[in-house]
Amino acid sequence: QVQLVQSGAEVKKPGASVKVSCKASGYTFTRYMIHWVRQAPGQRLEWMGWVDTRNGNTEYSQEFQGRVTITRDTSASTAYMQLSSLRSEDTAVYFCARDWSSGWFFDFWGQGTLVTVSS
Amino acid sequence: EVVMTQSPATLSVSPGERATLSCRASQSVSSKVAWYQQKPGQTPRLLIYGASTRATGIPDRFSGSGSGTEFSLTISSLQSEDFAVYFCQQYNNWSWTFGQGTKVEIK
Repeated sequence: QVQLVQSGAEVKKPGASVKVSCKASGYTFTRYMIHWVRQAPGQRLEWMGWVDTRNGNTEYSQEFQGRVTITRDTSASTAYMQLSSLRSEDTAVYFCARDWSSGWFFDFWGQGTLVTVSS
Repeated sequence: EVVMTQSPATLSVSPGERATLSCRASQSVSSKVAWYQQKPGQTPRLLIYGASTRATGIPDRFSGSGSGTEFSLTISSLQSEDFAVYFCQQYNNWSWTFGQGTKVEIK
């Protein structure tokens, strides 16, 4: 069965960076894009960007442009999201999600990774 | 950016009753709307895509409708496992935005 398993919770200080992983199993990794989405406390889900797992191409939300980097390692069937220059407002649960067909809805989601930014 | 607005924020329903959730887009998104269910501490679960197509394994008590800017999710007869937060998403034209969610709680 399809699974996306994310890395564990992180606590970071303001100004630091965080890198969250998303390991896929149960399907051919390079056949589906992976998106990253976050949910801050009490806020709606917010799309951050995607990676085309076939070629590594990416697109990012303007909201995070310059601070987010999404990569993938096909040999490990894993996608990564790195967010830099962290501030307290980046405290959120970060999700990876599989795109059903390149630019469509998300059919499977990771379990979420809580990132806490606190001095 | 397309803003998705859900209503109501909270819906109190008795088991066995019908629940109707609404989602409005700030501009037309054709039928490119999905609905998800999320329970505390769990992964979001895809319910509906293309505004009205049930995802694999989703019971037929869940139905979606709408196009353009107005969409709805109906749960025909609420079961205990249906009490959760539901959110809509638009995925039109290579952009993705979400509603703020509707919490369906036991009355």
